[in-house]
Formats: sequence, structure tokens, C-alpha cells
Amino acid sequence: DTEVTQTPKHLVMGMTNKKSLKCEQHMGHRAMYWYKQKAKKPPELMFVYSYEKLSINESVPSRFSPECPNSSLLNLHLHALQPEDSALYLCASSQDPATRKFFGPGTRLTVL
Amino acid sequence: AQTVTQSQPEMSVQEAETVTLSCTYDTSESDYYLFWYKQPPSRQMILVIRQEAYKQQNATENRFSVNFQKAAKSFSLKISDSQLGDAAMYFCAYSPVAQGGSEKLVFGKGTKLTVNP
Repeated sequence: DTEVTQTPKHLVMGMTNKKSLKCEQHMGHRAMYWYKQKAKKPPELMFVYSYEKLSINESVPSRFSPECPNSSLLNLHLHALQPEDSALYLCASSQDPATRKFFGPGTRLTVL
Repeated sequence: AQTVTQSQPEMSVQEAETVTLSCTYDTSESDYYLFWYKQPPSRQMILVIRQEAYKQQNATENRFSVNFQKAAKSFSLKISDSQLGDAAMYFCAYSPVAQGGSEKLVFGKGTKLTVNP
């Protein structure tokens, strides 16, 4: 199994909603990442988990809350988002932070 | 801070022809990784090719090869015998090796490649 899966594929939410994005990998990778990608732009790093501990938070607003329940799962909890948070949210994983990253297909989020 | 520059926002190539995508980067590190990622429309981002800076030999993966010029800080991607399925956004990316910094994959702005039949 050499893939990263993400659910849901699409999500539409209001500014007062609470929702969660999920990411899963079964490659035994110890590093997992959340990226945000706006249309026609490169991905921007949001969070890095290394060995289930948050190692990097790129000054992301607190309305985004990551969680790593175990080595295979990564969640991104969303609350009180703004329309400008609409984007493709990509999850990635790697054996360790220095090696190639495998990306999931992304969740396309629309905030109304 | 490290930066990655892709000077060609868009490129096009005829099917079966060869195309080269440019990438330059700026770093003070001596050891690092360079990558080319491909992102087809509405599809998953996948790694095309990877180069370790300490290796002088240019990486190749089937029809994809790189021209890595460390002194010039240049890392171009050559696609030979272009196929319709090669149409995508291509991102050049840099990753330092140093502990505590290697998590940060720095992306260029991307080059949109169109393949004409």
C-alpha cells in the first residue's frame, strides 16, 4: 500500500461550522504534513508531525487545529473559518522528514 | 532563506518532442535535496524525480532526466518523447538536509505544461 488517502474529497462549510479533514497512510511513515494550496499556486506548508508530535506550525491561525491520533492518521479540525480559507488541503507523508513525500489527493474546501 | 524560482509560468510541447523546464534555487547549504513534482489537473501530486546535491550524476527516471548544475544552482527537468499524459503543473522543490530544517519543502511557483497532439 503506497498511497495517502484523504477524506472527504470535497467539503462545503459555513463560517460557523465545525468540520474535520482526515488523512491516512499505511506505509509506516513517521512524518506527516498538512499543506494548503490555492488555485494556480504552489502548496504552502501548515503543519508537520514527526513521530506523532507536532514539530512545525507555520504560524497557522488557531481556527485550524491539527491532531495526530496515531502514526497512521492525521486530522485537521476546522472551526470558524473564513471564505479566504477556501483552498485545496493536501496531506503528505514521508519515512522521515528528509525523504520523498507522498501526497494525498487533497480535500477541496469551500467556505461560504 | 531558501528560494526556488521557476521562470516559465507556461510551456507547451508537441507530442513526442522534448521539452526542458527551468528551475533555479538559492541556498547557502552544501547538502540538500531537489525534486520535481507533477500535479495533473484535479489529480494527485506525484514525485517525478529526486536529486541529492552531493551526487554529481544527474538523476534519470525513464523519459525524465535532470540537468543539475550545483555551482550555478540550476536544476532543469527534461522530458523526452512527451506524451499527452505529461500535461500538468510541474513544481520544482528544495529541501535542506540539516536536522530541524529538512521538513520544509520549498516549492517554486510552478510551470504549466501543455502537450499538443
